[in-house]
Amino acid sequence: RKEVEQDPGPFNVPEGATVAFNCTYSNSASQSFFWYRQDCRKEPKLLMSVYSSGNEDGRFTAQLNRASQYISLLIRDSKLSDSATYLCVVTPSFYNNNDMRFGAGTRLTVKP
Amino acid sequence: NAGVTQTPKFRVLKTGQSMTLLCAQDMNHEYMYWYRQDPGMGLRLIHYSVGEGTTAKGEVPDGYNVSRLKKQNFLLGLESAAPSQTSVYFCASSYSGAFEQFFGPGTRLTVL
Repeated sequence: RKEVEQDPGPFNVPEGATVAFNCTYSNSASQSFFWYRQDCRKEPKLLMSVYSSGNEDGRFTAQLNRASQYISLLIRDSKLSDSATYLCVVTPSFYNNNDMRFGAGTRLTVKP
Repeated sequence: NAGVTQTPKFRVLKTGQSMTLLCAQDMNHEYMYWYRQDPGMGLRLIHYSVGEGTTAKGEVPDGYNVSRLKKQNFLLGLESAAPSQTSVYFCASSYSGAFEQFFGPGTRLTVL
């Protein structure tokens, strides 16, 4: 079983739609959680960190469920510019927070 | 402020050849990382460094060596390239572990 698993998609949605991605992780000791965004043939860039209490940044909401070991990303009012691959990232433990584990990514295409 | 830069952007090697990938950052970050990204898989950590003169193994270190002689530079070496090392290589830097990582634009390496 992979340490970090994501539905690869693709998710094809119309502009204005709400879309949600889930990511599961296998290591219950994992401490830090992030969502990165990667455009086609570009480098990943941090979208947002995921906090235990959940957090929101504009149209984006991230949530963490430690009991079920998953994190989620909700995008409201999708824009064409949201088309990208979304990477779930987890650090295995507090004592090894350099070794970030990346999911393979979920591809999103927003259509007019 | 260039952020993280990588040299070269593309390279084709024959099996058994050697090469060095250069990563440079101008953000005065202590931590630097080398990842590889393959289709259908998340980014996998090859080696990382938590400061000048230090290096450590990541998830997939075999076949690679690294050096961090200067704080701003992190070199990745392939001593004897194999087709299995065909991949996109990303360098990243961060202020500390579990903080936002800033990625370079990547190096596309093909080993024939």
